[in-house]
Amino acid sequence: QSALTQPRSVSGSPGQSVTISCTGTSSDVGDYDYVSWFQQHPGKAPKLMIYDVTKRPSGVPDRFSGSKSGNTASLTISGLQAEDEADYYCCSYAGSVVFGGGTKLTVL
Amino acid sequence: QVQLQESGPGLVKPSQTLSLTCTVSGGSISSGLYYWSWIRQPAGKGLEWIGLIYSSGSTKYNPSLKSRVTISVDTSKNQLSLKLSSVTAADTAVYYCARVNTYESSGENAFDIWGQGTMVTVSS
Repeated sequence: QSALTQPRSVSGSPGQSVTISCTGTSSDVGDYDYVSWFQQHPGKAPKLMIYDVTKRPSGVPDRFSGSKSGNTASLTISGLQAEDEADYYCCSYAGSVVFGGGTKLTVL
Repeated sequence: QVQLQESGPGLVKPSQTLSLTCTVSGGSISSGLYYWSWIRQPAGKGLEWIGLIYSSGSTKYNPSLKSRVTISVDTSKNQLSLKLSSVTAADTAVYYCARVNTYESSGENAFDIWGQGTMVTVSS
């Protein structure tokens, strides 16, 4: 499995919505509903935000949502807040686990 | 509340074996509801999955590291361990242990609890 493709950076103003894409192939993202998303603040461990494409763990705000279309999964953050500024990683499982390269979200 | 804590040498010489331990507190590592995994992150770079161990004790590894990796569990100590042999500078990274929640997901990438990570530098 090759690494998933994410944009290096995205940005948005407080209150706006941003979407981070994660592109795989028909053998991983396109074929399995096992995409998870992680938020990582500098110097901290990653935090699970979304799993199984659309599911939110307990305690994750509903401002965070996941979706998938074809070979591309997406994480949408609505009502952007300053504390959302972080790196975000997608991850797929298709017999093996692979991460995306990460996207730096800047809140302007 | 389950917590994970990695420990081990912060400096390893090239060609030697990197050995890390992850101590699980607040829950049993033997629970059939969870698997246990190692993930690493070189400074300023992305996450790389190393492998996992199932509740049965069988393992699955990243194909790119498979020949050098061993993951095991010591249920008497409630610990997970990682051994990575023949290390080079490319193995310098922060190493995380993480719990895989199979209760909520049938996949193997719902890493719901992470340790704080431990930095390992490979240098002579």
